[in-house]
Amino acid sequence: KAGVTQTPRYLIKTRGQQVTLSCSPISGHRSVSWYQQTPGQGLQFLFEYFSETQRNKGNFPGRFSGRQFSNSRSEMNVSTLELGDSALYLCASSFTPNTEAFFGQGTRLTVV
Amino acid sequence: GQQLNQSPQSMFIQEGEDVSMNCTSSSIFNTWLWYKQDPGEGPVLLIALYKAGELTSNGRLTAQFGITRKDSFLNISASIPSDVGIYFCAGLETSGSRLTFGEGTQLTVNP
Repeated sequence: KAGVTQTPRYLIKTRGQQVTLSCSPISGHRSVSWYQQTPGQGLQFLFEYFSETQRNKGNFPGRFSGRQFSNSRSEMNVSTLELGDSALYLCASSFTPNTEAFFGQGTRLTVV
Repeated sequence: GQQLNQSPQSMFIQEGEDVSMNCTSSSIFNTWLWYKQDPGEGPVLLIALYKAGELTSNGRLTAQFGITRKDSFLNISASIPSDVGIYFCAGLETSGSRLTFGEGTQLTVNP
């Protein structure tokens, strides 16, 4: 059974640009959550989707957005990139909300 | 955002030694999870705990869900070099899939 797949693995973007990250959950999982990991802030919750609906959102500015498709795949978008957005972005999938989460390898975003 | 208090922050041990780390929270969680993360990779789920007082093992790893539902600990017995990494505890909220993470314990094992 394939794990959580995140693409791309690495990205370098310039300040002011936007970026879209993709996550394919484990087959059969319908809940997808996104996290930002930085050395200073640790792992911070971004948002959670289940059945194409955003159920929960973390304390991040509106530049961070996401969506989930009918096949449970999810994307997150960051607009008007800032240097501080440089981080490892992790996607986690769960069979349903409130069950254990399995993480992908992450997308390393560097903003220059 | 809210974080769990995880300790110790780092540990340097000799191969073969046992290790213990723990997490405490001011909030109650219904599920506690323990993850291990290697550099540049995503966290890998080690153990999931669902009931207060539950003690669960996974090979050389043992974790317990505290009775108060506000704490959990992880023990690693007879450590080996491949145990090196960062260990995170995480509490799962009752209403969804939002995980609150501890700050992590960096484990170094000297052969």
